[in-house]
Amino acid sequence: KQEVTQIPAALSVPEGENLVLNCSFTDSAIYNLQWFRQDPGKGLTSLLLIQSSQREQTSGRLNASLDKSSGRSTLYIAASQPGDSATYLCAHSSGYSTLTFGKGTMLLVSP
Amino acid sequence: EAQVTQNPRYLITVTGKKLTVTCSQNMNHEYMSWYRQDPGLGLRQIYYSMNVEVTDKGDVPEGYKVSRKEKRNFPLILESPSPNQTSLYFCASSSPRGATDTQYFGPGTRLTVL
Repeated sequence: KQEVTQIPAALSVPEGENLVLNCSFTDSAIYNLQWFRQDPGKGLTSLLLIQSSQREQTSGRLNASLDKSSGRSTLYIAASQPGDSATYLCAHSSGYSTLTFGKGTMLLVSP
Repeated sequence: EAQVTQNPRYLITVTGKKLTVTCSQNMNHEYMSWYRQDPGLGLRQIYYSMNVEVTDKGDVPEGYKVSRKEKRNFPLILESPSPNQTSLYFCASSSPRGATDTQYFGPGTRLTVL
């Protein structure tokens, strides 16, 4: 059974720091890896989707990488801001039917 | 505005009283899915639908039913709710390649079963 692990579970940083969130998965048969953001009391918002043929994707201050051989993905956030405070989830897709989610990293960026 | 809506957003009910949580999307997506989110367990898929009249079980389908009679709607039915179904529920949709495409999530329904 596919497992997705996110480390760390929680992270607290001062504003302006660059940071890396980690995601590892056990199933090497991957279609894509998606990163989401979840704010308290709200649904998930898609941030980045990396296809299995890609190594990375960028959107603004966010950069996500994918290494299929090691079963890892990282989400890099540059110059963090208090508005980045949220829970970040990664999700692995090995087919059209199912996404398997990690448990998330709760990020707090202090002013 | 492209969106996934869920109703109700909050619901407190009692054991055994049938309930339906509605999900609707206005993006003409083929794929829709239901998840529950529990502390320490993360998001787990309950049911999914690849298109109208095509539904299948996810990882935790016990105690739930779904139907997909129209493309835009994918209701989640709890025929006899129990306290272990107390959870935060999310509906999601995407197109055209199901779980391999960008997912759009609803705002969530917080269900408490007493």
